[in-house]
Amino acid sequence: DGGITQSPKYLFRKEGQNVTLSCEQNLNHDAMYWYRQDPGQGLRLIYYSQIVNDFQKGDIAEGYSVSREKKESFPLTVTSAQKNPTAFYLCASSIPRERDTQYFGPGTRLTVL
Amino acid sequence: AQKVTQAQTEISVVEKEDVTLDCVYETRDTTYYLFWYKQPPSGELVFLIRRNSFDEQNEISGRYSWNFQKSTSSFNFTITASQVVDSAVYFCAPPLTGANSKLTFGKGITLSVRP
Repeated sequence: DGGITQSPKYLFRKEGQNVTLSCEQNLNHDAMYWYRQDPGQGLRLIYYSQIVNDFQKGDIAEGYSVSREKKESFPLTVTSAQKNPTAFYLCASSIPRERDTQYFGPGTRLTVL
Repeated sequence: AQKVTQAQTEISVVEKEDVTLDCVYETRDTTYYLFWYKQPPSGELVFLIRRNSFDEQNEISGRYSWNFQKSTSSFNFTITASQVVDSAVYFCAPPLTGANSKLTFGKGITLSVRP
């Protein structure tokens, strides 16, 4: 079955440590996205990538970094520069022929202790 | 700029009641796409529907139906005979156009269906 996987589902880290969240898709989608969701809030775009080896900052990119070396993978690194990293992180992908409808993974809940 | 207003923040109904979630959007474009997503307690966002601005026919999918009124810039979502499993946060996303293909989400509408 095609879909988007994110791992792990829950992640705990100590303050000051970098952490990388995984996002893999086998939908053959061109574009991938990372969102952050805080309790009771909507989603905010962190980074997005429309093709391999290219990505753009979203609305809240500070303290985050990404790479897009393969079409199916778009890992997100939360660096120690991110002041409030505890949040729910969602990855999505889309394809132009579906009018950029985004399909989401199950999310990773990151808690920084 | 593309924008939506979901005036309802929280709705609570008893199982089997019908419930309508309102969505009013703003756009200056003539061609655009509208979306509804559902976020159950598990957290994953589930795509529900995409509607082209040229297609004003209402859509029905089982207990779900959508009423698209271009004249009032509304794209409302109705759940008929609600069930406990419908409890979730529902997001109506601002219109996507050729110039703006980035989905944005507000706080959505929290629907609680009580048994």
